[in-house]
Amino acid sequence: GAGVSQSPRYKVAKRGQDVALRCDPISGHVSLFWYQQALGQGPEFLTYFQNEAQLDKSGLPSDRFFAERPEGSVSTLKIQRTQQEDSAVYLCASSQWDRANPYEQYFGPGTRLTVT
Amino acid sequence: SQKIEQNSEALNIQEGKTATLTCNYTNYSPAYLQWYRQDPGRGPVFLLLIRENEKEKRRERLKVTFDTTLKQSLFHITASQPADSATYLCALALTRSGAGSYQLTFGKGTKLSVIP
Repeated sequence: GAGVSQSPRYKVAKRGQDVALRCDPISGHVSLFWYQQALGQGPEFLTYFQNEAQLDKSGLPSDRFFAERPEGSVSTLKIQRTQQEDSAVYLCASSQWDRANPYEQYFGPGTRLTVT
Repeated sequence: SQKIEQNSEALNIQEGKTATLTCNYTNYSPAYLQWYRQDPGRGPVFLLLIRENEKEKRRERLKVTFDTTLKQSLFHITASQPADSATYLCALALTRSGAGSYQLTFGKGTKLSVIP
């Protein structure tokens, strides 16, 4: 596609519900990242995939957070038993290796999660 | 502790003037530093990347400097326009050789308002 897409754009969940957030990266991009952005803050790294391999999940805040990218393209971030502190915008970004700008990341519009 | 600080949360500037945004960091050794623009309700958009061995990078009306001794980057927008109003994020690219991956660590951002 033309850019990174995310769905849903908005999600309201009751505390304790499970949610699944989807990311469609730019076709052919090897690297995929998930970030969490609280209001008034910069994005914070959650996890990184290279193709289907999850190489870094050091930013996941708890074991309630789980991400997968089974075929090396679409990725899903799942949050189990949501808590109010999970309310934030979840951003997905993808990247390909490029000699000129090896670390340029392309971000999706984000999913705004509100836990009530 | 490791910190990234952007000089101010908000910056107001008159149209036509040069806007200068500051990013300072401590206890990091980034391989690259990037600047992103973020508009409300959207994901960050990549603007410029500068490597640790580069002093300055330019793109149209944008200029970035990187001083690894001072641990500081300056981001300049010359001949600013109301359309430049947005939040600007500084991000350090930290290579994590153990995980075979890298991640971006973002500052909180500076909200720039260009007044006509």
